[in-house]
Amino acid sequence: GENVEQHPSTLSVQEGDSAVIKCTYSDSASNYFPWYKQELGKRPQLIIDIRSNVGEKKDQRIAVTLNKTAKHFSLHITETQPEDSAVYFCAAFLRREKLTFGTGTRLTIIP
Amino acid sequence: GAVVSQHPSWVICKSGTSVKIECRSLDFQATTMFWYRQFPKQSLMLMATSNEGSKATYEQGVEKDKFLINHASLTLSTLTVTSAHPEDSSFYICSARVDRVTSGANVLTFGAGSRLTVL
Repeated sequence: GENVEQHPSTLSVQEGDSAVIKCTYSDSASNYFPWYKQELGKRPQLIIDIRSNVGEKKDQRIAVTLNKTAKHFSLHITETQPEDSAVYFCAAFLRREKLTFGTGTRLTIIP
Repeated sequence: GAVVSQHPSWVICKSGTSVKIECRSLDFQATTMFWYRQFPKQSLMLMATSNEGSKATYEQGVEKDKFLINHASLTLSTLTVTSAHPEDSSFYICSARVDRVTSGANVLTFGAGSRLTVL
């Protein structure tokens, strides 16, 4: 099965700085990599995703990069704001069968 | 579009009782739904894949007789925690796979979650 590792587990950055969260996956057949933001007690919300045929995708302050060869993908948040504080999960979707989540990163934006 | 409704949002029950959680796709048909469990400050762990009209597929270590899953229609999957114990207290979240042909949006959309507390 798929195994997704995520780091760091916690990350604090000054407001306005950038935040980077990294994930690795084990199964080269995984072909879809979403990132979710989860606030306390709420459902995960999809913030950006990338498919295996794309190397990079950007949506305003959020970007995701994928290195298929190394089986790495990363989330980049620029110009961070207090409302970006949350837990972020990466995930890998294996052949549309099931989604495996990373262990999560608690991001704190320091005003 | 692609909304998943989950009910109840929270439930408290006595040890030994059973609790049913419902997951409904409101504006689309979901042949496949997934049930996750999330303990405090931890990640979402897949418990089982619910398939409409057939038996659920359980992940290793998840007791199928304890966590009963029924997916009798294209819009409803239920998870029943049988003979609940305090260690079953957790946040249970369902999700549904959205057919990209109809929505073109998220591949997986989540319910709001159900917080179960077993006394």
